[in-house]
Amino acid sequence: DAGVIQSPRHEVTEMGQEVTLRCKPISGHNSLFWYRQTMMRGLELLIYFNNNVPIDDSGMPEDRFSAKMPNASFSTLKIQPSEPRDSAVYFCASSLTGLETQYFGPGTRLLVL
Amino acid sequence: SQQGEEDPQALSIQEGENATMNCSYKTSINNLQWYRQNSGRGLVHLILIRSNEREKHSGRLRVTLDTSKKSSSLLITASRAADTASYFCATPLGGAAGNKLTFGGGTRVLVKP
Repeated sequence: DAGVIQSPRHEVTEMGQEVTLRCKPISGHNSLFWYRQTMMRGLELLIYFNNNVPIDDSGMPEDRFSAKMPNASFSTLKIQPSEPRDSAVYFCASSLTGLETQYFGPGTRLLVL
Repeated sequence: SQQGEEDPQALSIQEGENATMNCSYKTSINNLQWYRQNSGRGLVHLILIRSNEREKHSGRLRVTLDTSKKSSSLLITASRAADTASYFCATPLGGAAGNKLTFGGGTRVLVKP
């Protein structure tokens, strides 16, 4: 298996632009997680899905952030409009169940100017 | 506040020495996990210890769990320069919060050659 795949790996955009991050989880995994990591705040869980259904989005910072999982093999995290404080590394992870081992993707390094 | 907290925040040792880091958590758990993150990369699962286990080994890694003290430790024996990374403990939150892991702030380990 190729592991969790994220794209793009790097994104540089200007404030106000829409940003879409993509994730392909490991086949057969039922849970998918989006995290954000910054030096100041560490690793934060933004949202997670179980069987394609959003279970907990309490970590989503504000309405500018949205996430979808239209099928078991694809998820997106969208920021519209983006702001400089959104600059961070965004990780996607998947697991068989939410409580067991999570497998992380390589991350998307986002810079909003 | 976070479920798991690592201690120390940073650790610097010479190659060949052992490195020990600790994790404290707040609520009852059914397992505790340790992850490693190399600079600029995603987290990688190292070891999972269940609540009915007291010690677990994986190669040069030894993890202990004391549920009475709500704490765990990760020992890296005979450290190598390649062990330089951040190490995170993660504990599951279930119930009304759903099935998800919460991560501590991490311990940054520097192994000097």
